[in-house]
Amino acid sequence: NAGVTQTPKFQVLKTGQSMTLQCAQDMNHNSMYWYRQDPGMGLRLIYYSASEGTTDKGEVPNGYNVSRLNKREFSLRLESAAPSQTSVYFCASRPTGPAGELFFGEGSRLTVL
Amino acid sequence: GENVEQHPSTLSVQEGDSAVIKCTYSDSASNYFPWYKQELGKRPQLIIDIRSNVGEKKDQRIAVTLNKTAKHFSLHITETQPEDSAVYFCAASDNQGGKLIFGQGTELSVKP
Repeated sequence: NAGVTQTPKFQVLKTGQSMTLQCAQDMNHNSMYWYRQDPGMGLRLIYYSASEGTTDKGEVPNGYNVSRLNKREFSLRLESAAPSQTSVYFCASRPTGPAGELFFGEGSRLTVL
Repeated sequence: GENVEQHPSTLSVQEGDSAVIKCTYSDSASNYFPWYKQELGKRPQLIIDIRSNVGEKKDQRIAVTLNKTAKHFSLHITETQPEDSAVYFCAASDNQGGKLIFGQGTELSVKP
């Protein structure tokens, strides 16, 4: 049982390049999330998916797209990376219902030059 | 949408003292309030949570209180230890797997 797995762990991009962060969970959770973490800014929600087939914007969606490929996988795409997108990105998942603990992946550190 | 404010941003206490972190939220529909601890270089992990039908919950040295009328909730850590040093985040959500919004975080330092 690996929990939440995200790749890559580290990535350096040049301004304007594109990339996709991959995330998969093996806990049969319905809901999946992408957050970014910047110093002093906490964890800000980019997009989330409350169930397979649905996605919704979070607090800071501009510059990102997501795909809920199936129940296990939720990917985050940067179409044209900007230095402001330099951050640590966390994927997370949780079950629907009262036991709503959020489980995080290890994080992906992205640097845009 | 939901907005969660967390204070203070930094907190320094002596070992053995208590620490209190406070959060307010804006959406009266929120009914699930977790607290996460993040050690340096690690992922956040749940330490305690509370649902809106409960006013207080304790787990050994940590407790959380919730005032739904005032839309605020607090984390209390008693008898602090150096290993409590970390960043703590509050959050608010519905409990149906929807949007979960975090506060800005509190960096707690426990000095021996």
